[in-house]
Amino acid sequence: AQKVTQAQTEISVVEKEDVTLDCVYETRDTTYYLFWYKQPPSGELVFLIRRNSFDEQNEISGRYSWNFQKSTSSFNFTITASQVVDSAVYFCALSEFQAGTALIFGKGTTLSVSS
Amino acid sequence: EAQVTQNPRYLITVTGKKLTVTCSQNMNHEYMSWYRQDPGLGLRQIYYSMNVEVTDKGDVPEGYKVSRKEKRNFPLILESPSPNQTSLYFCASSPRDTLQETQYFGPGTRLLVL
Repeated sequence: AQKVTQAQTEISVVEKEDVTLDCVYETRDTTYYLFWYKQPPSGELVFLIRRNSFDEQNEISGRYSWNFQKSTSSFNFTITASQVVDSAVYFCALSEFQAGTALIFGKGTTLSVSS
Repeated sequence: EAQVTQNPRYLITVTGKKLTVTCSQNMNHEYMSWYRQDPGLGLRQIYYSMNVEVTDKGDVPEGYKVSRKEKRNFPLILESPSPNQTSLYFCASSPRDTLQETQYFGPGTRLLVL
């Protein structure tokens, strides 16, 4: 069965610290997609990244970077030099090619960045 | 502007009073779905629709109905709301009938059932 685990419920850092949010997934499909979404205090869900199972290249976008490792079924998200505006709940999600159409979400990690 | 809109954004109601949360997208997406978000549980899918007149249950469909009469609209109907349906609801859409495309979410609807 498909599952996404975000073991870190809450993380608190001070501005300019680097922080890594962990995501571990389970799937039997060989074709699948992984996502990260950000939910700021205002409540909306903001799409950050989508990665398919055949593309293990790490990605960097500004201060954000993602490390996809199929060998450990992980898709971790790192924020470099964190800022107060990064404070949000971050969700990792999985979709399987075969299994249907739902996005399977982890329970989220609440990141608090203090100044 | 390409977007998914939901109305209302906030709603307080009482047990048993039928309500509808509307969802509309202007991106001509085939796929639409509803999720609910609860503390400690993340987001869970309620219903989804692959295209007009095609709907199916997600993980937590009990107590909800949907319809897809037009491509752009996908209303969520609570025939007899109960307090355990107090939640934050999100509508989402994506360009195709699979999840190889990214789902885009509406702004959310906060529902309180007393």
